[in-house]
Order: sequence, then structure tokens, then C-alpha cells
Amino acid sequence: QQQVKQSPQSLIVQKGGISIINCAYENTAFDYFPWYQQFPGKGPALLIAIRPDVSEKKEGRFTISFNKSAKQFSLHIMDSQPGDSATYFCAARGNTPLVFGKGTRLSVIA
Amino acid sequence: NAGVTQTPKFQVLKTGQSMTLQCAQDMNHEYMSWYRQDPGMGLRLIHYSVGAGITDQGEVPNGYNVSRSTTEDFPLRLLSAAPSQTSVYFCASSPLYGTGNGYTFGSGTRLTVV
Repeated sequence: QQQVKQSPQSLIVQKGGISIINCAYENTAFDYFPWYQQFPGKGPALLIAIRPDVSEKKEGRFTISFNKSAKQFSLHIMDSQPGDSATYFCAARGNTPLVFGKGTRLSVIA
Repeated sequence: NAGVTQTPKFQVLKTGQSMTLQCAQDMNHEYMSWYRQDPGMGLRLIHYSVGAGITDQGEVPNGYNVSRSTTEDFPLRLLSAAPSQTSVYFCASSPLYGTGNGYTFGSGTRLTVV
């Protein structure tokens, strides 16, 4: 049973463009929604996170949009750069361990 | 440097061999967990612990054992390695409560079972 569904599996974006990755969840007990960034050969690193009492959180070029009624949340990367090329994972937890989406491989091309 | 330390970084095992993957953290985090990462499968939880002496199973626990005798260490044991256990293994830790529930991950152990 996949508790967090992530799309797309892969994404190619031009430098300077907007990258958008979407996730959906079913468990209404989830109350913490982080995004992780992983470079090849490295462990995932926390990028940005949101709780369901807000609809949007922005940190630099990275924004999480959260739609509680639709049980969906998304990551937007503005002005995407080649250095943003990595795998991105959404995740969710309540009173339970984090469950992860299957990941999105982002390639930003010049 | 503070964080989560995993050893070894790489390991090749023969089918049926046993080994222990080590994980240590120096952030006094109560929560520790093990994930495996396989292509197209994301990160799947193997076992986790909410404190010394307390462990529980995750999504894919078969073939793995854990114990938590101290807050700092959370080793993962493969009793009889199988090719299906070829994967990259990540250890992660976090505070159990509070606003910062994000996990800190180690750099991973790449395991190949032949």
C-alpha cells in the first residue's frame, strides 16, 4: 500500500524555468509534509517542510503548496538551475515514521 | 561533524553470509530508523526505534534484525544475506517530538549480495 503517491517519475526543465513535483496522500492523520533532495551517492537531505495549518511555505526559490481538502501538496522550484538536478522525495508522517513517495529525478538543462 | 555516521560505505557479501551495518548519531535523537532504497521504489522503512530498548518493524522487515541498547547506536543485522537484499541502506534519526521532525540521514551503505 503506497501511502504517498508522487509524480512525475522524471522531469526535464530548462534553466530558469519552473519545476513542479506533485504528491498526494490518503491518511488524514498525517500532519507533517517534508521534501527531501538527494544527489547521487549521498543521503537525502531535508529541503523544506510544511504543516497542514498553512497553505504555502516559501524558502528562497523553493515553495511548498498544500491543499488539505484535496490531500495534495507540491514542490515548486523557481528559476531552476543545473545545480538543482537531483532526485526529490516527498514524504509524510503523523504519529508514525515518515513514508516516502517514490521520487522524481529532476534534470535542469542549460 | 555532528550527524549520522554509517559504516561501511560499501560491502559485497556472498549469499548466506551475515553482517551488521552500523549507524551512530551524536545529536541525542530519540528516533532512529533504517530504510532501503531501490531503483523506482523510493525509500522503504525496514525497522525503527523510538528510544533505547524499543524497536518496531517497518514496511519490509523480513531478513533483518535490529536492537537499540544506547541512544546513539542502531545497528542493522542481516542474518543470512540474499541477493534480494542488494540495495542502498540509509540510517536516519530525528527528535521524537517538537517542531523539527525532519530526519537527518547518513550517507548510506551500498550492499551487493552475490
